[in-house]
Amino acid sequence: ETGVTQTPRHLVMGMTNKKSLKCEQHLGHNAMYWYKQSAKKPLELMFVYSLEERVENNSVPSRFSPECPNSSHLFLHLHTLQPEDSALYLCASSQDQRGEQFFGPGTRLTVL
Amino acid sequence: GIQVEQSPPDLILQEGANSTLRCNFSDSVNNLQWFHQNPWGQLINLFYIPSGTKQNGRLSATTVATERYSLLYISSSQTTDSGVYFCAVHTGGFKTIFGAGTRLFVKA
Repeated sequence: ETGVTQTPRHLVMGMTNKKSLKCEQHLGHNAMYWYKQSAKKPLELMFVYSLEERVENNSVPSRFSPECPNSSHLFLHLHTLQPEDSALYLCASSQDQRGEQFFGPGTRLTVL
Repeated sequence: GIQVEQSPPDLILQEGANSTLRCNFSDSVNNLQWFHQNPWGQLINLFYIPSGTKQNGRLSATTVATERYSLLYISSSQTTDSGVYFCAVHTGGFKTIFGAGTRLFVKA
């Protein structure tokens, strides 16, 4: 595997389900990001981890819970989501805060 | 917070035509990236360009940081250039702000 990978690529879940999105970067970077892209809206930064420590949390509801067990892996745990949370969720990584960001292919989430 | 505006919002070109996309930002930034989002949602890196000019094949970009804008030039457009072009600015810390994008359609 190369670059940034994300699984699953598509996910359909009910409002009472619990699921997790996984991101893995193979670039040796030390920072990882979660973004949300809703229809007709710009990408929104959700969370940033640097050296496995959360450094940004942009007022994201608590039903989204990130986890970064090491510098190569990032998870987004989902529970009790709402239909308006349906979106494309993108993971990215960079080397340090000024580094170029590289994105994974995204997980397209539908909440019923 | 910092505002990022892209223009035009939509653009239709005949194959072979040239175009210029613009990104304005309201405050100083640490760096700026241009991306192409293909129809499957993948963001493809085009340029990492906090200032100056870079070229890659038919694409080139110029950022004038002192005047707070960046331009993306596409020459001899092809149908595969269709998609959405985003600029993203990196401000203090790890904050990254994306523009709303320019949706490009290139007709054969």
